[in-house]
Amino acid sequence: GDSVTQMEGPVTLSEEACLTINCTYTATGYPSLFWYVQYPGEGLQLLLKATKADDKGSNKGFEATYRKETTSFHLEKGSVQVSDSAVYFCALSGGTGANSKLTFGKGITLSVRP
Amino acid sequence: AAGVIQSPRHLIKEKRETATLKCYPIPRHDTVYWYQQGPGQDPQFLISFYEKMQSDKGSIPDRFSAQQFSDYHSELNMSSLELGDSALYFCASSLLLVSTEAFFGQGTRLTVV
Repeated sequence: GDSVTQMEGPVTLSEEACLTINCTYTATGYPSLFWYVQYPGEGLQLLLKATKADDKGSNKGFEATYRKETTSFHLEKGSVQVSDSAVYFCALSGGTGANSKLTFGKGITLSVRP
Repeated sequence: AAGVIQSPRHLIKEKRETATLKCYPIPRHDTVYWYQQGPGQDPQFLISFYEKMQSDKGSIPDRFSAQQFSDYHSELNMSSLELGDSALYFCASSLLLVSTEAFFGQGTRLTVV
């Protein structure tokens, strides 16, 4: 079945440091890929997405590129802020109908210190 | 813009009791999903509905049932509650034929004591 593997955390960075969170996936067909963010005590918010190979999703300074050849969707940001502290989930959706549910990775906690 | 509404936000129940969680999707969205997120865990898919019919089923215990009503709101019914059912329950909705993007509610935090 479909699966998502994220690098293990937690990750602690100083403000303005570079961030990379690795994510690889296993899926049949051509999944859509997502990064969701969960701030303390809140729900899941979509951070960015990519629906086909070589697509780059971007939002709030975060970027991720859908790499079919390496089955990866790594999240990057050039300069993190304290307000980026949250849990980040990589996820995939197999498509429409019965395959449209999201499969999540284990999530990684990012802490940014001033 | 209207978002996914879940109620209640918090719920405390005793073991063996019953709980009902409600979800109101974004207007005109045709698909509803339920997920369970245990403490420190990733969200796990429970069940989904498309146009009021069950479309997919995940790791949902037999003690749980769900349905989607004619106004597209959905309810997750949980009976014979166990301590291990304590979790954050998310509902999400999407407009399936347009996008695979799902929009999540704030979640219901269920505590079983």
